[in-house]
Amino acid sequence: QVQLVESGGDVVQPGGSLRLSCEASVGYTFSSYGMHWVRQAPGKGLEWVAVIRYNGGNKYYADSVKGRFTISRDNSKNTLYLQMNGLRGEDTAIYYCAKIPREYSDDYNYYYMDVWGKGTTVTVSS
Amino acid sequence: SYVLTQPPSVSVAPGETARITCGGNNIGTKSVHWYQQKPGQAPVLVIYYNSGRPSGIPERFSGSNSGNTATLTITRVEAGDEADYYCQVWDTSSGHSWVFGGGTKLTVL
Repeated sequence: QVQLVESGGDVVQPGGSLRLSCEASVGYTFSSYGMHWVRQAPGKGLEWVAVIRYNGGNKYYADSVKGRFTISRDNSKNTLYLQMNGLRGEDTAIYYCAKIPREYSDDYNYYYMDVWGKGTTVTVSS
Repeated sequence: SYVLTQPPSVSVAPGETARITCGGNNIGTKSVHWYQQKPGQAPVLVIYYNSGRPSGIPERFSGSNSGNTATLTITRVEAGDEADYYCQVWDTSSGHSWVFGGGTKLTVL
């Protein structure tokens, strides 16, 4: 069964940096699937953050994080990353990673989220 | 950017049918996906491609999409269906973007 486990959440000061990780369980061919980061501010709805293609190419970002956040992956370690720089109070949220359902897909119609991790909490506060 | 509009809340008695709408400009031309999120838990995919149902999701959950409105329908509602529900689409009007609706809180009376 596919499992995604996020880590790296912490309390950080405004302007600071943090790197989140999302490790996929064995038995799931991590390198075959595109991945998303999605966040949820306290008491708010879901907000898409970033997506990366299965091989690390073609990355896209929400306007709210563009130029500050970087999505990447290490397929040899079955791990997805989100490097967050220039953090602001409005970045405070639970950050979820999620996989897409189709292998080796370049068709963004298939880039919905079929399995989610449990999330890691980022708090930006002085 | 593309906007998806959901009612903040829907209430229904057990055994009745709940309908949660998701409005968007010509949303009928897009593929809509629906997620269920219970308090303190991660979201779960309940409907994909407007009306597809992942394995493990009860047949009571169904979806439709036409014109400017997509709808998630839950028949024979149970107490365990109480949750927040989000619709989502892929939008290319200004680059590539994955858009969520604001969410609907389903309350089972």
